[in-house]
Amino acid sequence: EAQVTQNPRYLITVTGKKLTVTCSQNMNHEYMSWYRQDPGLGLRQIYYSMNVEVTDKGDVPEGYKVSRKEKRNFPLILESPSPNQTSLYFCATARGQGGPSSEAFFGQGTRLTVV
Amino acid sequence: AQSVAQPEDQVNVAEGNPLTVKCTYSVSGNPYLFWYVQYPNRGLQFLLKYITGDNLVKGSYGFEAEFNKSQTSFHLKKPSALVSDSALYFCAVRSGSASKIIFGSGTRLSIRP
Repeated sequence: EAQVTQNPRYLITVTGKKLTVTCSQNMNHEYMSWYRQDPGLGLRQIYYSMNVEVTDKGDVPEGYKVSRKEKRNFPLILESPSPNQTSLYFCATARGQGGPSSEAFFGQGTRLTVV
Repeated sequence: AQSVAQPEDQVNVAEGNPLTVKCTYSVSGNPYLFWYVQYPNRGLQFLLKYITGDNLVKGSYGFEAEFNKSQTSFHLKKPSALVSDSALYFCAVRSGSASKIIFGSGTRLSIRP
């Protein structure tokens, strides 16, 4: 079964404590991306990756890091979380090169609260 | 630069009536257009897409969308709304190869019994 798996689903943490949200996919997709969803602001792209070792900033990259060392994984790292990073986070994948007609597949989301 | 606009934050429709959720886009090159639906506490689910060909695209749950190149629009439609259609709907666009996916701000669809 095609899956995008995010962990954890829920996380409450304190300001400044480094955390990682993992994203793994089993569809061999080149394209992976992180979005945050906030009320009234829709989905905003944080970072995306077209393939292994290729990452680019989205619209709201400040305070986040990503890495793409292998095709199936695309972790989102918050080195020093702040309360304004409290949000609902989604990982998404799609076929990349040669596949712009491919729809995106989403994980179930990670609800992060930074206190 | 790619962009997507959903001009309505909320659309309210009575059950059984037709519904339309609006989307306009801006891309260089040929657009690939998508609609997604999000139910509470869930990730986004793919509904339908326009790649090329017939301007009227049919998708899941009885939804369809009409591509209009001259108006750069891709409105989502359904002939007869159901209460279960109540959800958050997102329009998205890609263009060219190896390009990122851009989402609109979302439209909350509310169907009253």
